[in-house]
Amino acid sequence: DGGITQSPKYLFRKEGQNVTLSCEQNLNHDAMYWYRQDPGQGLRLIYYSQIVNDFQKGDIAEGYSVSREKKESFPLTVTSAQKNPTAFYLCASSIRGGTSPSGANVLTFGAGSRLTVL
Amino acid sequence: DAKTTQPPSMDCAEGRAANLPCNHSTISGNEYVYWYRQIHSQGPQYIIHGLKNNETNEMASLIITEDRKSSTLILPHATLRDTAVYYCIVRVVIGSNYKLTFGKGTLLTVNP
Repeated sequence: DGGITQSPKYLFRKEGQNVTLSCEQNLNHDAMYWYRQDPGQGLRLIYYSQIVNDFQKGDIAEGYSVSREKKESFPLTVTSAQKNPTAFYLCASSIRGGTSPSGANVLTFGAGSRLTVL
Repeated sequence: DAKTTQPPSMDCAEGRAANLPCNHSTISGNEYVYWYRQIHSQGPQYIIHGLKNNETNEMASLIITEDRKSSTLILPHATLRDTAVYYCIVRVVIGSNYKLTFGKGTLLTVNP
């Protein structure tokens, strides 16, 4: 079945360490996204990529980095510069990338990765 | 930016219809309204989307007002498993790119 796979599901890290969260999709989607969710809050966009080898900062990109070398993969690195990295991280994808003046764009989400900094 | 306003919480009795409102008064003419839901500690799940006409699928119905400034998601026969946070979102266009921004949504609690 097609879908999005995030790993690991749970991750613990010590302060000062970088950690990379994996996101892989086999939906042949052009666009991929990373969101962060804190307890009782909505989703905040970290980075998004509309096409391979291109990505843009979202609302809270500081302390994070991404790459998009392959269409199916969009890993997120949480660096030591991120002041408060403990959160639930969600990856999503959608069929189209770039601007579409019309037409729907439905997101498919992964199950999430929960990062805890000790 | 096109943003949405939703009540923070709602209750519904099991078996009854759940009607979740959303205000999106700044939506532009060619932007869709999307609804997702998130069960605790899981990824959001797509429910339905619409532009101008009312829409229905196996999960829910979406009623959009004629002026498109608000919409209502209807779960016709709510079950306990429908307890979740429901997000109403619209696309925000920024230059040559766009994004979907999620607010805090509405926590729907279905009671037995």
